[in-house]
Amino acid sequence: EVHLVESGGGLVKSGGSLRLSCAASGITFTTYSLNWVRQAPGRGLEWVSSISSGSTYIYYADSVKGRFTISRDNAKNSVYLQMNSLRAEDTAVYFCAGTLGKQCTNGGCIPIRLAYYGLDVWGPGTTVTVSS
Amino acid sequence: DIQMTQSPSSLSASVGDSVTITCRASQSISNYLNWYQQKPGKVPKALIYTASSLQTGVPSRFSGSGSGTDFTLTISSLQPEDFATYFCQQSYSTPLTFGGGTKVEIK
Repeated sequence: EVHLVESGGGLVKSGGSLRLSCAASGITFTTYSLNWVRQAPGRGLEWVSSISSGSTYIYYADSVKGRFTISRDNAKNSVYLQMNSLRAEDTAVYFCAGTLGKQCTNGGCIPIRLAYYGLDVWGPGTTVTVSS
Repeated sequence: DIQMTQSPSSLSASVGDSVTITCRASQSISNYLNWYQQKPGKVPKALIYTASSLQTGVPSRFSGSGSGTDFTLTISSLQPEDFATYFCQQSYSTPLTFGGGTKVEIK
């Protein structure tokens, strides 16, 4: 069974930092691109950042660029989000979401467009609250 | 950035009704359009990818169509468990962007 489990959320003051972690099981982690998606209270979904299976491609939303850093450790089946200079508007539930990033056969691996198959694996989320 | 606009933002329907939700992209995204369902307090669930392909395990009463800029999600016979909020999301380019959501409520 596939599991993504986030941790590291909490209450932090404006300007502070947090590091979110997401541990995966039940998937071939090295074939998945991992993403962070957030949802502010009562609001819709906002994509935050993505990292490809081999960390070659990394993307950020403009709203977090320069403040957040995504990384992954394939040996630990984990992805991270380092969040610095936090603002009140960063308050949200942060979801880790996975999408197949490459398809591998005996002949090798073919990269897949980011989220081509949709974000089909989600963790339960971790709550980040930034107080002003 | 590609803007995704959903309509309506909410709708009321009865069990057994057919409902259609529309998603419009601010520029052509080919068929790189995904749909998600989210129930209150729950995690989003992927329903459809590439505009019309059902995720494994999704009931056949869900269907998606469209290409270019205009897309629809149709639920052919609404069931009690379908009352939820639905989001579209484009995967044509980064930043990945979501529509604002359509809340399907019980009439």
